[in-house]
Amino acid sequence: GQQVMQIPQYQHVQEGEDFTTYCNSSTTLSNIQWYKQRPGGHPVFLIQLVKSGEVKKQKRLTFQFGEAKKNSSLHITATQTTDVGTYFCAGPSSGYSTLTFGKGTMLLVSP
Amino acid sequence: NAGVTQTPKFQVLKTGQSMTLQCAQDMNHEYMSWYRQDPGMGLRLIHYSVGAGITDQGEVPNGYNVSRSTTEDFPLRLLSAAPSQTSVYFCASSSPRPRSGGNTQYFGPGTRLTVL
Repeated sequence: GQQVMQIPQYQHVQEGEDFTTYCNSSTTLSNIQWYKQRPGGHPVFLIQLVKSGEVKKQKRLTFQFGEAKKNSSLHITATQTTDVGTYFCAGPSSGYSTLTFGKGTMLLVSP
Repeated sequence: NAGVTQTPKFQVLKTGQSMTLQCAQDMNHEYMSWYRQDPGMGLRLIHYSVGAGITDQGEVPNGYNVSRSTTEDFPLRLLSAAPSQTSVYFCASSSPRPRSGGNTQYFGPGTRLTVL
């Protein structure tokens, strides 16, 4: 079945440093979604990418979808302590009725 | 709108006990899903439903049952709890977007279950 892999599993940065997490799918995706989960919270939708090579920005967050639509990345510029949490990518599965999630990248930011 | 609600927030069970985790949504979403989250394992799909009366198995369905009698409710039943079912359980709902193939999931706050 479809597999979605994320690296790194964990990253600890100093506030102000940049951060990137990478997502790779075993199959071509029609779209990819990113979610953020704060410690003790639930996953919250951040963004969806649909087009090959698409790049979207949300303030300090930059999301990219690969040309082959099998990989994606999330880059955070100048991290802040509010960026702490686990970031998940997810691709559609079961005929688009649900999602397959990567295992997530946990980000810790030290002040 | 309350969004997706889950009860209880915390639960401790003994091995062999049964219980039902409740999930409800007020967004009139067609799709609902149950995930479990374990350290280092991400979110794994247990069961999902594409509409009232329709359910299907996900990646880790063993030991769990679901039913969907209404659009709003999607309870998850643990038949005979085992320590391996200690986890955080999230319910999610969504509506399909046919043009983009997107399916943004809205998650409930979760139920933290411990099985002794």
